Amino acid sequence: EVQLVQSGAEVKKPGESLKISCKVSGYNLTTHWIGWVRQMPGKGLEWMGVIYPGDSETIYSPSFQVHVTISADTSINTAYLQWSSLQASDTAMYFCARLNGAIDYWGQGTLVTVSS
Amino acid sequence: SYELTQPPSMSVSPGQTARITCSGDALPKQYAYWYQQKPGQAPILVIHKDTERPSGTPERFTGSSSGTTATLTISGVQAEDEADYYCQSTDRSATLAIFGGGTKLTVL
Repeated sequence: EVQLVQSGAEVKKPGESLKISCKVSGYNLTTHWIGWVRQMPGKGLEWMGVIYPGDSETIYSPSFQVHVTISADTSINTAYLQWSSLQASDTAMYFCARLNGAIDYWGQGTLVTVSS
Repeated sequence: SYELTQPPSMSVSPGQTARITCSGDALPKQYAYWYQQKPGQAPILVIHKDTERPSGTPERFTGSSSGTTATLTISGVQAEDEADYYCQSTDRSATLAIFGGGTKLTVL
């Protein structure tokens, strides 16, 4: 059974760094694109970017390219989303998602709260 | 930048038909996918490649696409269909994925 299990909720201060994770099971991480989706409170889904862990090719949506880094560690079947300097506007739910044409599997979401 | 446009909200009575549209210039060339999201939950795929129903999607959900508009039709709407619905596709070059703004379906 394919599962994407994300790390737990985080509360951070502006300017702090953060790395959240998405551990996959039931398939090999190297075989499918993995993407990250942001959902701000009460708002819609926003595509942030994707990585193909098999060769580390990464494509970012223009709105997110300079602010986040997407990576993967195939040895532990885990994808990551990280920030070097969080802003209050990064407060949101973040979902990882497996691409198979469509998004066929989603993580449960990681709530990130950035507040001073 | 490329956009997919959906109506923000829609209301239907139980048993009626809901048609949710998604407009985008690249849709004649790129597939549309539809997701259902209920409060506090991750989205789930209900239609892929414009018209195909994944296993587990009820038959009352159908997808279609014509020109620059993709449509999700829910026939015989049930109370459990109340949710937010998002279309998703890619730009003409198929390098950038994008979601529509979402449609909140209310079952009266």
